[in-house]
Amino acid sequence: AQRVTQPEKLLSVFKGAPVELKCNYSYSGSPELFWYVQYSRQRLQLLLRHISRESIKGFTADLNKGETSFHLKKPFAQEEDSAMYYCALQGAQKLVFGQGTRLTINP
Amino acid sequence: DTEVTQTPKHLVMGMTNKKSLKCEQHMGHRAMYWYKQKAKKPPELMFVYSYEKLSINESVPSRFSPECPNSSLLNLHLHALQPEDSALYLCASSSPTSRTEAFFGQGTRLTVV
Repeated sequence: AQRVTQPEKLLSVFKGAPVELKCNYSYSGSPELFWYVQYSRQRLQLLLRHISRESIKGFTADLNKGETSFHLKKPFAQEEDSAMYYCALQGAQKLVFGQGTRLTINP
Repeated sequence: DTEVTQTPKHLVMGMTNKKSLKCEQHMGHRAMYWYKQKAKKPPELMFVYSYEKLSINESVPSRFSPECPNSSLLNLHLHALQPEDSALYLCASSSPTSRTEAFFGQGTRLTVV
């Protein structure tokens, strides 16, 4: 079975502060992990994937197989980062989402 | 074209009605998905089509009937729905051979009265 856990439903930080959104996963195979973001009134869209090891909009995420984690980080939060963030795991054929974290950046 | 298009955007239907949701993509993706998303909840997988064949049905009630008439289209036929079926229905597509990102449509906001 594949499972994704995001322990924080809500996260609120001030502009310019560091942000970390936590994600842990459970999967017996080789996981493909993603962070998706949903801005207000916009469609769900990919933010980044672990395999590309890139930084998008200042966000990075490192896959830690030992801790089965894929936390999302940004050193300096911006107001436009306010959105719903979902960690997702692509298994054999299924893309399964965590419960999501609503990130609010306060001015 | 990197879009998944869903129609209609909004739908209100009675419990005895029959309606269909439509999804279209022209990215050459051969995997297509239906998800259901309730308010303040993550998307929940309903069905997966791979190369136009149903490969996963997540124990969805038979009042939801998916159809994939060709590689670009995905339908979800609705019949005798319940008020608790009211939700945002999302369609997505991806390449089934390389586990790349899924592209999502804007969704159909369904209200069952």
